[in-house]
Amino acid sequence: LAKTTQPISMDSYEGQEVNITCSHNNIATNDYITWYQQFPSQGPRFIIQGYKTKVTNEVASLFIPADRKSSTLSLPRVSLSDTAVYYCLVGENAGNMLTFGGGTRLMVKP
Amino acid sequence: EAGVAQSPRYKIIEKRQSVAFWCNPISGHATLYWYQQILGQGPKLLIQFQNNGVVDDSQLPKDRFSAERLKGVDSTLKIQPAKLEDSAVYLCASSSSGNPKDTQYFGPGTRLTVL
Repeated sequence: LAKTTQPISMDSYEGQEVNITCSHNNIATNDYITWYQQFPSQGPRFIIQGYKTKVTNEVASLFIPADRKSSTLSLPRVSLSDTAVYYCLVGENAGNMLTFGGGTRLMVKP
Repeated sequence: EAGVAQSPRYKIIEKRQSVAFWCNPISGHATLYWYQQILGQGPKLLIQFQNNGVVDDSQLPKDRFSAERLKGVDSTLKIQPAKLEDSAVYLCASSSSGNPKDTQYFGPGTRLTVL
């Protein structure tokens, strides 16, 4: 079971770029890396997913080095509404088990 | 497209009572998940259904928790009897298939308080 490690919390200011790194040393060959965002009193929401190198969508970028033992979620020019908990998720193909870690609580200040 | 629906949104019960939660996944989604999220922690998978069959229930406390997904659509999660430590938000999610690559769509959750 691939375990993930993320910083517990991060602070940033509006307009800055935020990078959140997740460690997953035991990632398996077929695993994908997925990031979710969760606001208070809501269920998690998909942000981005990748397997290797770099993935970019309208919300974020995901950087994955060649060894895939870590990944970095990059949020460009954050706003107050980006204040949330961000979870890094590594998909286990065998057994189909998906494990959320503790998440990173991002606080964006004005 | 309608999202994942859950009810009730909030429930308060006393310990040793029973409680049931209901989930209606996104139409056509074959896979349904139930998660337990304790305050300050990430969601923990309790059970995964593929259509109406159980794929994984290894983290479901089977002495008190049960879940079913009749006809491969709606699902109910039951706790009987409830304990204080069951206080949490119970999240239901669905995806088009059981592949971890598929996006999971989460409902708003049911917040359970056990007194």
